[in-house]
This record gives sequence, C-alpha cells and structure tokens, in this order.
Amino acid sequence: DSGVTQTPKHLITATGQRVTLRCSPRSGDLSVYWYQQSLDQGLQFLIQYYNGEERAKGNILERFSAQQFPDLHSELNLSSLELGDSALYFCASSVVEGRDEQFFGPGTRLTVL
Amino acid sequence: GQSLEQPSEVTAVEGAIVQINCTYQTSGFYGLSWYQQHDGGAPTFLSYNALDGLEETGRFSSFLSRSDSYGYLLLQELQMKDSASYFCAVRGSSNTGKLIFGQGTTLQVKP
Repeated sequence: DSGVTQTPKHLITATGQRVTLRCSPRSGDLSVYWYQQSLDQGLQFLIQYYNGEERAKGNILERFSAQQFPDLHSELNLSSLELGDSALYFCASSVVEGRDEQFFGPGTRLTVL
Repeated sequence: GQSLEQPSEVTAVEGAIVQINCTYQTSGFYGLSWYQQHDGGAPTFLSYNALDGLEETGRFSSFLSRSDSYGYLLLQELQMKDSASYFCAVRGSSNTGKLIFGQGTTLQVKP
C-alpha cells in the first residue's frame, strides 16, 4: 500500500458524459501527478500539481481538467467522454517536485460504453 | 521530444538472470528510473540513476550510460513473483516530476 488513495476503483459510464476522479496523496506529499494507461500501453503523463499550483502538463486533452485543493487532494475531470477515453487513470504523489520516486495509487478503471 | 525504447517481452526461467534494456532520446535529462507493475496494479518504484554506473538494490540492479543514452535493469535470482511489466522512465526537467515512460517490457518467469 503506497498511501495514495483513489476513488472510485471502477467507473462505467456512457459516451458524452462527465466524470470526476479523486486522489488523496500520501500524508506530507505536496506534488500530485496524473497518468493515463490505455490497454497494453505505457503510462502517459497528463498533468502535475504542486501545493495547489499546476506545474507541468503532458498531452492532456482540452476535455480533461484537474485541480489540487488546499487539503492537497486532487481531482481529474473528464468531460464529453469518448470510447477512447477508456483506460486506467493513476494518481501518484511525491514529497517535493522533481522527484523520480513517485508513489502510485491503485488507479481508477474507467470504461466508456 | 522524448522517447524511450525497450523490448516488449522477455522470458526467463526461475533462478536465472535477465537484463531489460532501455534506450532514450530526450532534450533534457535528469535521470532514468525503473518501475514495476503487476497486471492491473499500481506501478511501484524500483530504482533511479542520475549518474553513470551501476546501482544495486537487493536482487535488482540498474545501470546508466549517459553518453550512450542507454540503461538497463538487471534482475537476478528470478522468482515467479517477478513476472510483471517493467517500465523505464526519464525525467526531462529539473523542477518538475514529469516522467516520460517507455512502453514497458513484460517479463514472464517460467518454472
């Protein structure tokens, strides 16, 4: 158990819908990262927050947005969902930014029907 | 841009040694790390190399040659539980934790 929690574990929804994935980092970690892993694909970096501020962006779609709240938990919002958005979404955290050792949560498996 | 290449699959027998290679192309380089992921599970950090040479952690070792843009993960005394996917990742920026991952190598350990 990494100490990072993600809810929900599974999410099944329809195309065109909007969902929110939630992540709580390890106690004391200020940096939160979101990654997407499609079937048989590697991990694709989406976005990083550090102490509430956006710090780095990957190839995150405009339909996706995220934020980190004052209590350091983070939410990833996915809207106008498409079949291709079906994937595992991982949240990770680290004590400070610029760390290669990141602690991953168990992931949220999103299925878009 | 940044890209990493690693073999898609490797098979080895229990007790053997296996090496998983990773070559990378990146505009900035601040380290090569390795993660393990069991089927559908959370990736877990294994090792990190910022400087050339070998880092050893128990049965696992990781090597980096910055001049060759190359690294490898060495797994010794293979156990069945080592069957998993292994990802190399580079960090291209000094002040963010943005990791760019390879596509992963699926290791199958056979009895």
